[in-house]
Amino acid sequence: QVQLVQSGAEVKKPGASLKVSCKASGYTFTSYNIDWVRQAPGQGLEWMGWMNGNTGNTGYAQRFQGRVTMTRDTSTSTAYMELSSLTSEDAAVYYCARGSSGYLHFWGPGTLVTVSS
Amino acid sequence: SYDLTQPPSVSVSPGQTATITCSGDQLGDRYSFWHQQKAGQSPVLVIYQNNKRPSGITERFSGSNSGNTATLTISGTQAMDEADYYCQVWDDSAGVVFGGGTKLAVL
Repeated sequence: QVQLVQSGAEVKKPGASLKVSCKASGYTFTSYNIDWVRQAPGQGLEWMGWMNGNTGNTGYAQRFQGRVTMTRDTSTSTAYMELSSLTSEDAAVYYCARGSSGYLHFWGPGTLVTVSS
Repeated sequence: SYDLTQPPSVSVSPGQTATITCSGDQLGDRYSFWHQQKAGQSPVLVIYQNNKRPSGITERFSGSNSGNTATLTISGTQAMDEADYYCQVWDDSAGVVFGGGTKLAVL
């Protein structure tokens, strides 16, 4: 069965960078994209971008361009999302999801990120 | 950018049919998807490509998409269906676009 296991909760200071991992199993990692979506407390879902598991090609939402980087390690079927220059507005639960041109079928459990000085 | 509009909340009595709408310009020309998110949990895909149900999703969930509106219908609504529901599409410019979400209350 498809599983996405994410790294644990993080507490970051303003201005710091964040790196969240998403380890996939139960399917061929290089056959699908990994999308990243975040959800601020009490708010809706916000898409951040996608990464092709095979080529590493990426596409980022405009509001995150220049601040987000999505990478992968195919040897461990793990995707990474790095977000820089954190502010309090980046406090959220960050989800990875197995994607394919917007078809987000399986979601990870989420990683809670707190940003506080 | 492409925008999707959902009602903030919908209420339904147990056993009745719940209808959640999602509006967007020429939405019917795109595939629509619906995700269910229960309190404190990750989202779960319940409808893909307008009207298909992933394996393991109850037949009580159905979807349609035409004109400017996509609709998620839950028949025989149960207390366990109480959740936030998000419609979603793919836009070639903006990427994945979510609606603002609808809180379904089963009263």
